[in-house]
Amino acid sequence: GAVVSQHPSRVICKSGTSVKIECRSLDFQATTMFWYRQFPKQSLMLMATSNEGSKATYEQGVEKDKFLINHASLTLSTLTVTSAHPEDSSFYICSASPGAAKTEAFFGQGTRLTVV
Amino acid sequence: KQEVTQIPAALSVPEGENLVLNCSFTDSAIYNLQWFRQDPGKGLTSLLLIQSSQREQTSGRLNASLDKSSGRSTLYIAASQPGDSATYLCATREVGYSTLTFGKGTMLLVSP
Repeated sequence: GAVVSQHPSRVICKSGTSVKIECRSLDFQATTMFWYRQFPKQSLMLMATSNEGSKATYEQGVEKDKFLINHASLTLSTLTVTSAHPEDSSFYICSASPGAAKTEAFFGQGTRLTVV
Repeated sequence: KQEVTQIPAALSVPEGENLVLNCSFTDSAIYNLQWFRQDPGKGLTSLLLIQSSQREQTSGRLNASLDKSSGRSTLYIAASQPGDSATYLCATREVGYSTLTFGKGTMLLVSP
């Protein structure tokens, strides 16, 4: 199957700093990528849809100024958690599909963010 | 709005057993349904994708079925192994949407 690579897998940062997470599609181009957040023992919560060359679409309740998304190329989307606080600590996962809506979705390895 | 439910929430079986995980969804207007596996602290691994026009898909010891009209899918795991221990998630992609709607998952433990 297609490969989606996410980096870093783990990051610890101090409260008030910003953290950038990268999501790359390694063997296909993705005009759309998705960012999810997962709380312990919970399912995935969609945060935003990242669109190449245009603004991201955020889900209700997700602060766009807190979670900055940039999709500058067809293989790379980044999520920046700005002015991180301990409550932002979570598991963040990205996904992409090598085609239209009917194709298979592939996920990155996830990023464990801990804000201290 | 689509709701996806997975039963049971957790399952513990001895090695070698055949088992069935259930997934139900409220809106049958879907493009496809996908089953994933998630190991602790890891991302999701795609197991099987069933298009709305299909009834089942098979990969090795895994078989997934889809009954769109009744809003149900099952994941059958044959001859379970300890390495199958993980959380299994199902997700639907609804018509007109590019996003997935996930169930809460079934946590499977296969003991040796």
